[in-house]
Amino acid sequence: DAGVTQSPTHLIKTRGQQVTLRCSPKSGHDTVSWYQQALGQGPQFIFQYYEEEERQRGNFPDRFSGHQFPNYSSELNVNALWLGDSALYLCASSFSLGLAGVEDTQYFGPGTRLTVL
Amino acid sequence: ILNVEQSPQSLHVQEGDSTNFTCSFPSSNFYALHWYRWETAKSPEALFVMTLNGDEKKKGRISATLNTKEGYSYLYIKGSQPEDSATYLCAFRDSGAGSYQLTFGKGTKLSVIP
Repeated sequence: DAGVTQSPTHLIKTRGQQVTLRCSPKSGHDTVSWYQQALGQGPQFIFQYYEEEERQRGNFPDRFSGHQFPNYSSELNVNALWLGDSALYLCASSFSLGLAGVEDTQYFGPGTRLTVL
Repeated sequence: ILNVEQSPQSLHVQEGDSTNFTCSFPSSNFYALHWYRWETAKSPEALFVMTLNGDEKKKGRISATLNTKEGYSYLYIKGSQPEDSATYLCAFRDSGAGSYQLTFGKGTKLSVIP
């Protein structure tokens, strides 16, 4: 059973450019969350997608956008890159049981390392 | 802004020693607490998901406890081995309507010396 996969592994961009990161969830999972991990910090929540809709958004500017496809895979797009966007971007997938009091485990991919020069 | 704190920031122990570290989170509006182990160059690995006050979970030599009333969780490793070297992250989820995000601490980096 393939786990969560992300592509590319590494990426180098220059300021002002745009980038698209991709995530394939674990088999059977329908929910994808994206996190940004800057150096020395814990992962920060960007947004979560469920049923092809953004279900919740963290404290990130509109330059960060996403999409979820019918096969549950997801993309994270960042426009007008600036130096501070350099980070490890993690994708996590889960299956939303939707039951009160039941917490879904989020399974993480290995991340995409983005460097903005 | 939710605050999740982990201590210590880093820890060096000898092989065979037992160790523990702490995750502190808001004691109000609790929904769930997650623990992850993250080895260098790998994906974070889910260890435990805890939802009830007083929960105790165990996986091999690793165990965790949860106190939601005072807002903390302990992770214990018994008889540490070099393969336990990793960063251990905790993540809090609150019970607010429409709240699905995990708020992570900065992690505790454990190094086990052979």
